[in-house]
Amino acid sequence: QSALTQPRSVSGSPGQSVTISCTGTSSDVGAYNYVSWYQQHPGEAPKLMMYDVNKRPSGVPDRFSGSKSGNTASLTISGLQAEDEADYYCCSYTDTYTDVIFGGGTQLTVL
Amino acid sequence: QVQLVESGGGVVQPGTSLRLSCAASGFSFSSHGMNWVRQAPGKGLEWVALIWYHGNKGEYADSVKGRFTISRDNSKNTLYLQMNSLRAEDTAVYYCARINGYTDDYWGQGTPVIVSS
Repeated sequence: QSALTQPRSVSGSPGQSVTISCTGTSSDVGAYNYVSWYQQHPGEAPKLMMYDVNKRPSGVPDRFSGSKSGNTASLTISGLQAEDEADYYCCSYTDTYTDVIFGGGTQLTVL
Repeated sequence: QVQLVESGGGVVQPGTSLRLSCAASGFSFSSHGMNWVRQAPGKGLEWVALIWYHGNKGEYADSVKGRFTISRDNSKNTLYLQMNSLRAEDTAVYYCARINGYTDDYWGQGTPVIVSS
């Protein structure tokens, strides 16, 4: 089973907004509202930033928001800050035997 | 607070075995399913295995099925990953993660596994 499709990189200037897309299929992203997003800084463990498409864990700034349309989920970061520069991975529950499928990751650069 | 601490990684030769451990604290370990997720150098995240809270059954990625076994000891608050017949392509940082609903809400810091002759 192929990974969910994410852009390899996105960039934005401080204060701007960026959106990272995550495209799957009708067996994963399109079938369930169980998409999560993880932020990973170099050398660190992934950190949960969004779950169930648009729910923010405690402590995650409200600059982060999630949405989904059809087979594509999106993570939007508004008011970009330098510390947002990291890799971002989407993840979806899937009704295939793997249960969980990740995206290939998107490198966010804050210019 | 929730803590997950992996251990057991190292440098091993192809064809050999290794057992990873993940010590959990700060939550009711026996109430949560657990995942192992790995990340090869410079690559993305790859789900490896899952075990439900009762520990009766594990599920595996195709890439490790038949070689890796996930298990848990709820009396010790510890998750394990027995890795046999290791291959170069198993080289990665291995993370354990707590399942909460349909997401992994807490992750350990990872333990590196290098398979090389």
